[in-house]
Amino acid sequence: ETGVTQSPTHLIKTRGQQVTLRCSSQSGHNTVSWYQQALGQGPQFIFQYYREEENGRGNFPPRFSGLQFPNYSSELNVNALELDDSALYLCSSSVQTGGFTEAFFGQGTRLTVV
Amino acid sequence: AQSVTQLDSQVPVFEEAPVELRCNYSSSVSVYLFWYVQYPNQGLQLLLKYLSGSTLVKGINGFEAEFNKSQTSFHLRKPSVHISDTAEYFCAVIDTGTASKLTFGTGTRLQVTL
Repeated sequence: ETGVTQSPTHLIKTRGQQVTLRCSSQSGHNTVSWYQQALGQGPQFIFQYYREEENGRGNFPPRFSGLQFPNYSSELNVNALELDDSALYLCSSSVQTGGFTEAFFGQGTRLTVV
Repeated sequence: AQSVTQLDSQVPVFEEAPVELRCNYSSSVSVYLFWYVQYPNQGLQLLLKYLSGSTLVKGINGFEAEFNKSQTSFHLRKPSVHISDTAEYFCAVIDTGTASKLTFGTGTRLQVTL
């Protein structure tokens, strides 16, 4: 158990719809990052939030957006879903102040777009 | 920017045999290095990490890795594998300065058989 929980675990959406994925960070962690893992691939960085501000973004279009809340939980929103958005979405939490040591990952949300 | 290369997409090995999973990285800045394991339909679990100090790092489940700066490698080893080690293994790096994102390799599937 890493203390990072994601919901839902699985969901199926139709192309063009919008989806919100949720992540609860490990207690005391002020940084959350989201990754997309397509089938048979390594995780790809989407973006990171530090103290409710975006702190880095990967090569993903603007229809991928996020939020971090004062309790450090986070949401990933994807608009206008495409078939290629089907993937495992992973959330990780970490501590940035005092130096990075490691990132703890949740179990992921499996998104299927049909 | 960083990149990670895992040269072997699949490594078949018999139980109780030794194994090495290879990882090479490219980066213009100093990095920390990690190995993660992913079991089917699960998130990522940290096996071990190199932040500083001794270049030989020991992790969980009997795994170890050696950081070689001149060869920009961080190969993972285990002297005797078990059936339960069957999983996907990912090597990853992060910029020590920004620590904003993990860059992953494409993964190595370790298949342990009797």
